[in-house]
Amino acid sequence: EPEVTQTPSHQVTQMGQEVILRCVPISNHLYFYWYRQILGQKVEFLVSFYNNEISEKSEIFDDQFSVERPDGSNFTLKIRSTKLEDSAMYFCASSERRGNQPQHFGDGTRLSIL
Amino acid sequence: GQQLNQSPQSMFIQEGEDVSMNCTSSSIFNTWLWYKQDPGEGPVLLIALYKAGELTSNGRLTAQFGITRKDSFLNISASIPSDVGIYFCAGRLNYGGATNKLIFGTGTLLAVQP
Repeated sequence: EPEVTQTPSHQVTQMGQEVILRCVPISNHLYFYWYRQILGQKVEFLVSFYNNEISEKSEIFDDQFSVERPDGSNFTLKIRSTKLEDSAMYFCASSERRGNQPQHFGDGTRLSIL
Repeated sequence: GQQLNQSPQSMFIQEGEDVSMNCTSSSIFNTWLWYKQDPGEGPVLLIALYKAGELTSNGRLTAQFGITRKDSFLNISASIPSDVGIYFCAGRLNYGGATNKLIFGTGTLLAVQP
């Protein structure tokens, strides 16, 4: 069964550094998402992306964050000038279409900011 | 922001017992999804519900989309040790198709004793 893959599985970074989290969505999917989960808390929506532009973002997704689809298969989340509170699991998800289509999640990248 | 209240927060049961958990909200949803998350992994889709009153099964799992569109429940029958994990409900708000983000519940931790 096709799946969403994320790399790296764990990223450790010094505060203030930039990180790029990578995702390969399911190949025939058109909508891509990033969510995050702070340890012990629920999953929170960050951003959705379609047709090479952001279609929706949450209040968490401020100027520190950006997303990009650099080629036909990858979808990236960049966090500039990381803060301690950015430490979390970051999940990429994709869905085939908009609307009533389930979102399928990758196994996440654990980001640890020191 | 919108809240999904999920209960119970945790359950500790004997193998073979049935399990029930639910999510409620003050907002109307047009999609309900149930996910299971194992430690260190991403949420895995269990059941998707798209219509008020819809009752859907997936093996020993059964979920329903509440008639008011503000709630959903998940039942697991004859639990087995591999059912252990955290179960999340997630909903997509009824904004006429203007939103695709999922709002997650707070999770139910299920522990099954053999």
